[in-house]
Amino acid sequence: DAGVIQSPRHEVTEMGQEVTLRCKPISGHNSLFWYRQTMMRGLELLIYFNNNVPIDDSGMPEDRFSAKMPNASFSTLKIQPSEPRDSAVYFCASSYDRFLVYGYTFGSGTRLTVV
Amino acid sequence: AQTVTQSQPEMSVQEAETVTLSCTYDTSESDYYLFWYKQPPSRQMILVIRQEAYKQQNATENRFSVNFQKAAKSFSLKISDSQLGDAAMYFCAYRSAGSSNTGKLIFGQGTTLQVKP
Repeated sequence: DAGVIQSPRHEVTEMGQEVTLRCKPISGHNSLFWYRQTMMRGLELLIYFNNNVPIDDSGMPEDRFSAKMPNASFSTLKIQPSEPRDSAVYFCASSYDRFLVYGYTFGSGTRLTVV
Repeated sequence: AQTVTQSQPEMSVQEAETVTLSCTYDTSESDYYLFWYKQPPSRQMILVIRQEAYKQQNATENRFSVNFQKAAKSFSLKISDSQLGDAAMYFCAYRSAGSSNTGKLIFGQGTTLQVKP
């Protein structure tokens, strides 16, 4: 099991550019979560999917952010246009079921820097 | 809304000694789960230990144990025989259970643990 795979590991982009972060959950897991980590706000849930359907996107900061899960093995988080305040570490996590008592498995995160 | 508070931004411990990290939470729910995650410099979030609120017995995983005080809404992590590899940021997290479970983890602000050789 390769775990939750995120790409890229690091991303540096200029303000105004589109950024796409990618996530491959663990095979068989049917819940997927996107979190953002910053020094000021800590770890925040942005959106989560269950069986490829977005269940709660109330944490998505604004319309510049969008997330998709076209199939059970792939999800993207897109920021368009990007701004310096979007600089953060973005984590993807997956679990077998959102009702499972265990915590999720996190990916290694993508460190995004917007200059 | 539920909140999780870690009042110790930084802690240090001598190698082989024992250290306790504090966590308190606020909730009106009676059924929930609590977790401790470790985030080393590699950035990977690693589950250390979990506790179901309906269980009175404190969870233990090798050198890691918790002191769960439900009435006080306290969930501290004890690390025994500290090792250099334990140096990391530790996050306490809360998750609702039952019909209110959305899968969302609510995290504390984290405690950075330094282990001195």
